[in-house]
Amino acid sequence: GENVEQHPSTLSVQEGDSAVIKCTYSDSASNYFPWYKQELGKGSQLIIDIRSNVGEKKDQRIAVTLNKTAKHFSLHITETQPEDSAVYFCAAKVGAQKLVFGQGTRLTINP
Amino acid sequence: NAGVTQTPKFQVLKTGQSMTLQCAQDMNHEYMSWYRQDPGMGLRLIHYSVGAGITDQGEVPNGYNVSRSTTEDFPLRLLSAAPSQTSVYFCASKTGTGVTGELFFGEGSRLTVL
Repeated sequence: GENVEQHPSTLSVQEGDSAVIKCTYSDSASNYFPWYKQELGKGSQLIIDIRSNVGEKKDQRIAVTLNKTAKHFSLHITETQPEDSAVYFCAAKVGAQKLVFGQGTRLTINP
Repeated sequence: NAGVTQTPKFQVLKTGQSMTLQCAQDMNHEYMSWYRQDPGMGLRLIHYSVGAGITDQGEVPNGYNVSRSTTEDFPLRLLSAAPSQTSVYFCASKTGTGVTGELFFGEGSRLTVL
């Protein structure tokens, strides 16, 4: 079955710097890749997603890139702010009705 | 509009006890699902449903039962709790029957099994 590996598990950056989180997946049939943000004590929220027919998608300070050949995708956050501190999860779609999540990355933005 | 509501938020059980985690959504979503979150392992799918009367297994279904008698409710039952089921549980729902698009998560239920 699908296996999603996420790195790093923890990431600390200075406010204003960029942060990059990487994920790899194993099932070449996967065609949908969302990223979720989980703040302390809350459920996760979708922040950006990408389908396999595009290589990059941007939404203000957040971007996701996808390399289908290498089977990896990455989350890029620019000009980081304290409110970006959270746990981030990548995921890959398996079949039509399941998502397999990565292990999560705890991002800390240092003032 | 409450979104996805989970109860209880915290629960402590003894090994062998049973309990039900409740999940309700008021968005008329077809798709509902349960995940467990453990340190270093991300979110793992337990069971999901694409509509009333329809349920299916996820990655880690053993030890859990679900039912979907209404569109709004999707309870998760632990028939005989084990320490390995200590975890944080999240219910999530979305419109449509596939997983493409936004999943709306509840705030989680922290379960400890002694």
